[in-house]
Parts: sequence; structure tokens; C-alpha cells
Amino acid sequence: EAGVAQSPRYKIIEKRQSVAFWCNPISGHATLYWYQQILGQGPKLLIQFQNNGVVDDSQLPKDRFSAERLKGVDSTLKIQPAKLEDSAVYLCASSLGAGNTEAFFGQGTRLTVV
Amino acid sequence: GENVEQHPSTLSVQEGDSAVIKCTYSDSASNYFPWYKQELGKRPQLIIDIRSNVGEKKDQRIAVTLNKTAKHFSLHITETQPEDSAVYFCASNFGNEKLTFGTGTRLTIIP
Repeated sequence: EAGVAQSPRYKIIEKRQSVAFWCNPISGHATLYWYQQILGQGPKLLIQFQNNGVVDDSQLPKDRFSAERLKGVDSTLKIQPAKLEDSAVYLCASSLGAGNTEAFFGQGTRLTVV
Repeated sequence: GENVEQHPSTLSVQEGDSAVIKCTYSDSASNYFPWYKQELGKRPQLIIDIRSNVGEKKDQRIAVTLNKTAKHFSLHITETQPEDSAVYFCASNFGNEKLTFGTGTRLTIIP
């Protein structure tokens, strides 16, 4: 069974530039999460989708971050413009949903903003 | 608000001894409590989970206990081995599938 796929694995950009990350969840998983993990900290939820609808985006810095899951499958997370403090690993996870919360993570995208 | 506290932040144990990591949660509606292991540079991987209808679950050397009254749950690793060295995260779903993670425990097994 294929796992959660993310790309790119690594990205280095200058501050004020924009960047986008892509995630393909496990087939059949209705719930998709984007987490930000700063070095030495636990994953922090940015946004949660149920199919193509947003369930929670309370911790998403909406002035610079955006995310979409238009067809209820793949998702993209965008940062525009990036700040130095956005340097982190961005993890995508998915779960079946409907009360089954077991979440599987992708390898993550390590973003460095210089 | 939704909060998961995890202790200790670092833990060193002799190989063969047991390790215990504890978490507390704030929302009594939480009903799902997973534990993830994250090795350096790798993704978090689920190692064990427990739902609110049971008090304990065991899988070989790993066990999780849940005290709903006190709103805390713990990870127990027995007969620790060098490959158990990693960062461990607890999490809670706060009743709505929104997984909130603790701050992590760096476990080091001393040979």
C-alpha cells in the first residue's frame, strides 16, 4: 500500500519569496492534515481537511499561508511571502476519517528560509 | 483550549530498563490517544494508540495506559533496546479528529 507522498523533500528560498508544497494522501483517506514542525518541537496543526472542506484552520497564518484540496484528494500548501521563522518541516498526514483518527505521515518537506 | 502536556522532555535509561513518558490533556471529550516515534530526519510513525473505552493496551514491549478521570495517559517501554532511542510524541484528538501533539520526549538508551 502506498503511503502519503509529499514533494519536494527539501526547499531553500529567500525571505519574501513564495513556495508551494504538494501532498498526495493514502487512497481513500478522507481527512488530510498539514502540520508545521519546527526543529525540536512537536508537530503543530496548520489546517485539516475533510474531503475538500476545511474542518480547522485556526492556527494557519492566513495573511501568508493558504491551502487547498479542490478535488478532495491532493492538497497544496502555499506560503507567500515567506519569513525566516517559517523555516521548518512541513508534514502532511492523512486518515480515513469518520471516527477513525489513525493518522499516517508523509516524509515531509524541509523548508529553509534565508 | 486544546492542550497536551508531555513530560519529561528528555529521558535517559540504561539498556534493559523501563522508560515511562506521561501526557495530560485538557478536553474531557477526547477519545483517541496515539503515540508516535520519530527518528532523526524521519517522519513520525504510529507505534501504539488507545481509545477511551479501554484503560490499557499492550503490544510486545510497549504499553499505553489511560486514566480518563485524571485526563492523563502514559507510554511504557520495557526491556529497552538501543533502537528505542528516538523522540516520542503523544497526541489527543479532542473529540473531533483534530490531532494535537505534545512537545515530545527525547529518549536515549544507554548501552
